[in-house]
Amino acid sequence: ELKVEQNPLFLSMQEGKNYTIYCNYSTTSDRLYWYRQDPGKSLESLFVLLSNGAVKQEGRLMASLDTKARLSTLHITAAVHDLSATYFCAVDEGETSGSRLTFGEGTQLTVNP
Amino acid sequence: EPEVTQTPSHQVTQMGQEVILRCVPISNHLYFYWYRQILGQKVEFLVSFYNNEISEKSEIFDDQFSVERPDGSNFTLKIRSTKLEDSAMYFCASTGWIGSYEQYFGPGTRLTVT
Repeated sequence: ELKVEQNPLFLSMQEGKNYTIYCNYSTTSDRLYWYRQDPGKSLESLFVLLSNGAVKQEGRLMASLDTKARLSTLHITAAVHDLSATYFCAVDEGETSGSRLTFGEGTQLTVNP
Repeated sequence: EPEVTQTPSHQVTQMGQEVILRCVPISNHLYFYWYRQILGQKVEFLVSFYNNEISEKSEIFDDQFSVERPDGSNFTLKIRSTKLEDSAMYFCASTGWIGSYEQYFGPGTRLTVT
């Protein structure tokens, strides 16, 4: 059974600081996704990582994928309050389109002024 | 920008009743999914659907659940006899074409079973 583990599960940080969220998974997969969820809202796609060594950046967020280590990171640079949300990583272990996503537990990020 | 839509946004039902949750995936998308999220927990896969049939289902998706694509646009999830533990947010998602992987999620339907 595929396991996806995120840490930390709760993260409280000050504005302007940097931090990294980690996502470990237990299968050989080279497709990993990061989503953001605001309270009571849906899942907003942040990054789609489709190969080993993939790195993507959008604003203050940067995601990377190391399929050999089965690890993805989401790095936050100079955090701002607007980044407060829950961040989920999800792994797709199928060989074709249409495969299920297995989600991590989520990291609840709070950015304090 | 095209988006997945879901109705209703909130459904309250009594235990034992049947509910149908509706989704309109992004037009021309080929793959459809249902996920659920119990309050405060992670998102869990229920079922995927392609070419008018179920392609994969999880252990949660038992005989009480069914999916249907009754026409060219709607994708429905039916729960025949709801239980208290079915209370959750239900998300529909879709993926575009063969060879694409990103899943686009709808806004969700909050189901409350009393």
